[in-house]
Amino acid sequence: ETGVTQSPTHLIKTRGQQVTLRCSSQSGHNTVSWYQQALGQGPQFIFQYYREEENGRGNFPPRFSGLQFPNYSSELNVNALELDDSALYLCASSRLSGNTIYFGEGSWLTVV
Amino acid sequence: GENVEQHPSTLSVQEGDSAVIKCTYSDSASNYFPWYKQELGKRPQLIIDIRSNVGEKKDQRIAVTLNKTAKHFSLHITETQPEDSAVYFCAASINRDDKIIFGKGTRLHILP
Repeated sequence: ETGVTQSPTHLIKTRGQQVTLRCSSQSGHNTVSWYQQALGQGPQFIFQYYREEENGRGNFPPRFSGLQFPNYSSELNVNALELDDSALYLCASSRLSGNTIYFGEGSWLTVV
Repeated sequence: GENVEQHPSTLSVQEGDSAVIKCTYSDSASNYFPWYKQELGKRPQLIIDIRSNVGEKKDQRIAVTLNKTAKHFSLHITETQPEDSAVYFCAASINRDDKIIFGKGTRLHILP
């Protein structure tokens, strides 16, 4: 177990809706990164949060947004859902000092 | 930006034989190269990693080699066992918790 917890584990949304995914980082970790893993693909970096500020972003449109809270937990919000947003969303936590990242179990999102 | 290529996409080996997965990366600034194993429906799990100041690292049946000049790195699994069947991802990043760029994965089948 990594100590990184994500919720919900599975959800189904309709195209055009909005979704919020949540992540609690491992104790002592101040950095949270989000990844999208489509079926049959490797995880793709969405963005990273450090001390409640976005600290790097991958090639994802602005309708993907996030938050980090003072307790270092994080949310990923996706607006105007598209069918291609169907994927496993992985949260990873670490300390911003060269330590290894640890993935949570992920949230499976299906957009219909 | 960084691009990671991984080969082969599928690999079948007889139980007890060795398996080798190869990756190349494009950004010479990358200095951290983790390998993840992902079983069906599960999160990626770190199995071994190597930093750019080391050419080889071994952990029991798993070893990783890095050639910085050629921008190649490889995963070697010896004495393969049925539980080694999974998808393996190579990845690269500039710092351990900077954005990690993943390859597309290798599906490893261990044949009885």
